[in-house]
Amino acid sequence: SAVISQKPSRDICQRGTSLTIQCQVDSQVTMMFWYRQQPGQSLTLIATANQGSEATYESGFVIDKFPISRPNLTFSTLTVSNMSPEDSSIYLCSVEWRGDGELFFGEGSRLTVL
Amino acid sequence: QKEVEQNSGPLSVPEGAIASLNCTYSDRGSQSFFWYRQYSGKSPELIMFIYSNGDKEDGRFTAQLNKASQYVSLLIRDSQPSDSATYLCAVNQAGTALIFGKGTTLSVSS
Repeated sequence: SAVISQKPSRDICQRGTSLTIQCQVDSQVTMMFWYRQQPGQSLTLIATANQGSEATYESGFVIDKFPISRPNLTFSTLTVSNMSPEDSSIYLCSVEWRGDGELFFGEGSRLTVL
Repeated sequence: QKEVEQNSGPLSVPEGAIASLNCTYSDRGSQSFFWYRQYSGKSPELIMFIYSNGDKEDGRFTAQLNKASQYVSLLIRDSQPSDSATYLCAVNQAGTALIFGKGTTLSVSS
């Protein structure tokens, strides 16, 4: 399976600041996604990170709040901008590696916004 | 809007019993169906996937799919305390991201 490294693994942030999460995969993958998991909740898809073009965002998520970069087939970043306490969540990078729909997940980045 | 519904539980079963987890989905175009297990504080990990109607068995786990009823289930035989976790049902169409249910919390008592 693909090895997915995310950093930071956790951070405590101040209201109004922005934080960028990095996702590095040890092999080239076509499909890469960013999910959010709020406390006690399931996973909600934020966006599909497209290599070389703008990310595709799900309803309720916008580029100004969650800008995403995907410069190549092994790396992506998600920025959480102008954070508020409601952004306190685990953010998960995931990849579809084998083309069969199965997603592999990074260890997640746990953000706490004060 | 595509939805995946699960009973949040908790589902409590004694050690050695069969745990039955259920999931329904709204999108008739869904093609792939997955069950993930998530321990507290950890990322989801795949338990099983199923594409075709019927049953698929893997060790103590059996996934069941009924596309006509838009229903997928996971049976865990001989449940162990280590099976205590949240089980997430997820579905997708080819080339799209997985849509997850809210998850069912399973507690297996020894």
